[in-house]
Amino acid sequence: AQSVTQLDSHVSVSEGTPVLLRCNYSSSYSPSLFWYVQHPNKGLQLLLKYTSAATLVKGINGFEAEFKKSETSFHLTKPSAHMSDAAEYFCVVRGPYTGGFKTIFGAGTRLFVKA
Amino acid sequence: DGGITQSPKYLFRKEGQNVTLSCEQNLNHDAMYWYRQDPGQGLRLIYYSQIVNDFQKGDIAEGYSVSREKKESFPLTVTSAQKNPTAFYLCASSLARGLAASSSYNEQFFGPGTRLTVL
Repeated sequence: AQSVTQLDSHVSVSEGTPVLLRCNYSSSYSPSLFWYVQHPNKGLQLLLKYTSAATLVKGINGFEAEFKKSETSFHLTKPSAHMSDAAEYFCVVRGPYTGGFKTIFGAGTRLFVKA
Repeated sequence: DGGITQSPKYLFRKEGQNVTLSCEQNLNHDAMYWYRQDPGQGLRLIYYSQIVNDFQKGDIAEGYSVSREKKESFPLTVTSAQKNPTAFYLCASSLARGLAASSSYNEQFFGPGTRLTVL
């Protein structure tokens, strides 16, 4: 069975300070993990993905995430927040399932960035 | 430009009416998906299709129907049987390379969404 938990429904940071969005997963197999961003009334855009090649994954817009198997975590970070980072972020796990693969979305974390 | 388009952007439905949401992709992807998004919740899978003329129910298929007559198109019909259809609907597509482990690496590409409101 697979599951994904985003530990914070809302995160608020000041512009120029670091961002940390937390994600824990559960999977019987080595999963693929993704982070997506969604701006209001828009579709989801891929930020980065982990596919077992390297545990530290760099994405677009200065975001990165580190896969920690021992902690079953895949937290998203950015050294310095920008106003344009204000959006909703989804952690996603994808792994084997009967007859194929199953994709499970976290409930989302809304990031607020204060000037 | 390659991508996924959804239309309309906003849709209003009267009680008892069926409505169809359009989704088209020119990415040459085999797999297509429909999700429903409600405030404060993650995306929930309605239907998916891995190949033309075949589709499978997702987690919340009741009250919805789909067709996959062409690789590029995967329309979703919200029927009158869907009791609470007001939501944001997202279509997605991805490469599908069978059951090889590498298939799990294929991210989904999303359309801009359709916001459906029942009047």
